[in-house]
Amino acid sequence: GAVVSQHPSRVICKSGTSVKIECRSLDFQATTMFWYRQFPKQSLMLMATSNEGSKATYEQGVEKDKFLINHASLTLSTLTVTSAHPEDSSFYICSARGKGRAGADVHFGNGTRLTVT
Amino acid sequence: GEDVEQSLFLSVREGDSSVINCTYTDSSSTYLYWYKQEPGAGLQLLTYIFSNMDMKQDQRLTVLLNKKDKHLSLRIADTQTGDSAIYFCAESGLLNEKLTFGTGTRLTIIP
Repeated sequence: GAVVSQHPSRVICKSGTSVKIECRSLDFQATTMFWYRQFPKQSLMLMATSNEGSKATYEQGVEKDKFLINHASLTLSTLTVTSAHPEDSSFYICSARGKGRAGADVHFGNGTRLTVT
Repeated sequence: GEDVEQSLFLSVREGDSSVINCTYTDSSSTYLYWYKQEPGAGLQLLTYIFSNMDMKQDQRLTVLLNKKDKHLSLRIADTQTGDSAIYFCAESGLLNEKLTFGTGTRLTIIP
């Protein structure tokens, strides 16, 4: 089955530094990738949608200059949390949809737990 | 905007059936999904149903959709300890690719 690999699974960084999270589709070409954020004991909140080769579309309230998304190839999207602060600590999850796939064919990574100290 | 609601907690005895309910507001929802999330992990797609279907069964899982009432349910037969997790329902449109998730239901199995 389709596999989405997300790295790192866990990262701790100091306040003010930047952190990059990678999301890779291992056995399919992902034309669209989604980035979600999940607070403890809460649901997933969509942050942005990225299509290969174009700028990401951010949801209302998400700072695009703080959460930089790059989808440079059909198998890789990255989320960079710039100048991280403790309130950015959260669980970040990516998902990907394959080229030509039906609407239900979305696969999730295992998430990245970010802790900012 | 779209809204998807679930009850937060459900406790079930091992071996019984679990029924997790979900309501949604977007009448244009085309796909409705059930995902499972174990602690510290990502989401695992359990099953999905297309909006023109009333029921879908896959081994121990049965999904029922009442489109008129915008109500979706997931029944897990013969619930096991390994079924302990948070279950999210989600919906998406045909062309709108993003998923809107419910609040999640934490399923606890009582031995």
